[in-house]
Amino acid sequence: ENVLTQSPGTLSLSPGERATLSCRASQSVSSSYLAWYQQKPGQAPRLLIYAASSRATGIPDRFSGSGSGTDFTLTISRLEPEDFAVYYCQQYGSSQWTFGQGTKVEIK
Amino acid sequence: QVQLVQSGAEVKQPGASVKVSCKASRKTFTDNYMHWVRQAPGQGLEWMGRITPNSGATNYAQKFQGRVTMTRDTSISTAYMELSRLRSDDTAVYFCAREGSLTWGQGTLVTVSS
Repeated sequence: ENVLTQSPGTLSLSPGERATLSCRASQSVSSSYLAWYQQKPGQAPRLLIYAASSRATGIPDRFSGSGSGTDFTLTISRLEPEDFAVYYCQQYGSSQWTFGQGTKVEIK
Repeated sequence: QVQLVQSGAEVKQPGASVKVSCKASRKTFTDNYMHWVRQAPGQGLEWMGRITPNSGATNYAQKFQGRVTMTRDTSISTAYMELSRLRSDDTAVYFCAREGSLTWGQGTLVTVSS
């Protein structure tokens, strides 16, 4: 099982600031099959980034993903009020999906 | 784009079984694996397993082996997840999610309570 570890657990920032979220895998992620999701209470996860760096349809360009192998990053260039939420990384390169434990981005 | 619509919330007693459905909106149902993921209250996302819609072949997470059964009905583009011998810690929102597009259903809350 490819274990994903996200850091930090919580990020306290103000609107307009830059957010940098990390996701580290215990094994190399096949073909950069790494996705990032945003989740708000009572909602399903919303796909932001797939294949490590490709934005999903309709996702604003303030969201960007980077990385390969075992180290991946989600960057939100300028936080908008609606961006405060929990973010998960996911690897889907093997038959068994795995998820990070989540990073909560909260208003400072 | 494929949309996934799940069945409604369920309340079950401990020891019972629950069957959740997930209907795909397009005829590309057989093109990609369908996965099931659950999320307990206040917790993260937990992968349960997947089904190959074409063949019906399944892969289950070891944690759920022996308790989960994933099936599909290709004639109505619907996948099912049945979990048996329910316990209180199975209370969670259950999601289906399609590989390829990484589309998710809206989730189904299953509450296990006596």
